[in-house]
Amino acid sequence: GNSVTQMEGPVTLSEEAFLTINCTYTATGYPSLFWYVQYPGEGLQLLLKATKADDKGSNKGFEATYRKETTSFHLEKGSVQVSDSAVYFCALSANSGGSNYKLTFGKGTLLTVNP
Amino acid sequence: EPEVTQTPSHQVTQMGQEVILRCVPISNHLYFYWYRQILGQKVEFLVSFYNNEISEKSEIFDDQFSVERPDGSNFTLKIRSTKLEDSAMYFCASKMLGTDYTFGSGTRLTVV
Repeated sequence: GNSVTQMEGPVTLSEEAFLTINCTYTATGYPSLFWYVQYPGEGLQLLLKATKADDKGSNKGFEATYRKETTSFHLEKGSVQVSDSAVYFCALSANSGGSNYKLTFGKGTLLTVNP
Repeated sequence: EPEVTQTPSHQVTQMGQEVILRCVPISNHLYFYWYRQILGQKVEFLVSFYNNEISEKSEIFDDQFSVERPDGSNFTLKIRSTKLEDSAMYFCASKMLGTDYTFGSGTRLTVV
């Protein structure tokens, strides 16, 4: 079955530090890959996505590149801010037809950014 | 921007009681989902719903769970006899073909 393995947290950084959160996946077919963010007390928000190999998703300074050869989709940001403190989830959607499109999530990584 | 609305935001119930979690998906969306997140754990798929029927359900979604779209706007998740281990955040989501998911902000269910 499909699965997502995400770097264990928590991750604590100082403001302006470089962030990497690793994510690897196992899937049948050709999945789409996503990063979701969950701020304290809120729901899941799509941060970025990539739908095919070598695509780079980007948003709010975050980037991730779909690497089929290493089955990875690592999240990076060059300079984090206190407001980036949240839980980050890597996810995939792999559908071979039908009407489902369900998401498979990783365990989430708690990021805390200190001033 | 259209939103998925979930009510209530927090519900406390006694073990063995029935609960109904309510969701109003985005009006022109056709695919509907429930996910849950036990505190500190990953988000898990429960069920997907399309064309007025369940299209897939996980092994978590046993006979105690049911979903319904009673009136064309609401999408409900019913748990018939709650257990302590049903305590979690439940997220509703909807989408159209070719669009991204839109998640609601969740209902925190606490079973005591």
